[in-house]
Amino acid sequence: ETGVTQTPRHLVMGMTNKKSLKCEQHLGHNAMYWYKQSAKKPLELMFVYNFKEQTENNSVPSRFSPECPNSSHLFLHLHTLQPEDSALYLCASSQLAGYNEQFFGPGTRLTVL
Amino acid sequence: GDSVTQMEGPVTLSEEAFLTINCTYTATGYPSLFWYVQYPGEGLQLLLKATKADDKGSNKGFEATYRKETTSFHLEKGSVQVSDSAVYFCALSEKGAQKLVFGQGTRLTINP
Repeated sequence: ETGVTQTPRHLVMGMTNKKSLKCEQHLGHNAMYWYKQSAKKPLELMFVYNFKEQTENNSVPSRFSPECPNSSHLFLHLHTLQPEDSALYLCASSQLAGYNEQFFGPGTRLTVL
Repeated sequence: GDSVTQMEGPVTLSEEAFLTINCTYTATGYPSLFWYVQYPGEGLQLLLKATKADDKGSNKGFEATYRKETTSFHLEKGSVQVSDSAVYFCALSEKGAQKLVFGQGTRLTINP
């Protein structure tokens, strides 16, 4: 595998389910990011991790819970989501947080019923 | 705060037409500027970047020049192809900042 991978690519869940999104980067980077991409809205940064430490939480509701066990892996745990949370969730990485160039994964298309 | 404004889409052109997608920004410092492209079903890919005033970024026939006086970073291509159909995002990053600030994206469709 190369670059940034995300699984699953598609996810359908009910409002009472618990699921997790996974991101893995094979670039040797130290910073990882979660973004939300909704229709007709700019990309929204959700979380930033630098050397496994969370350095930014962009006022994200607690029903989204990130986890970064090491610099290569990033998870987004989901529980009791709302239909308006349906979106494309993109993971990205960069050499360091604050380093300009970010590399993106293909995203997970989430649908909340 | 920092912001990026792109021209409204969608944009539809014929193959071999000239492309311009406008991007203007507001920033407190001297940001780096980027164009990302998102092909259908994929994540974002960096297309080109410029890190200081008057720099020109270029890649795959696309160009954009960092214009500090007009706070702009317009994307241009002389002759578009069907394969250029995608969504294009302008973005900025302040030096040392942990995030990219994106515009809303411009959907481009090229017809044969």
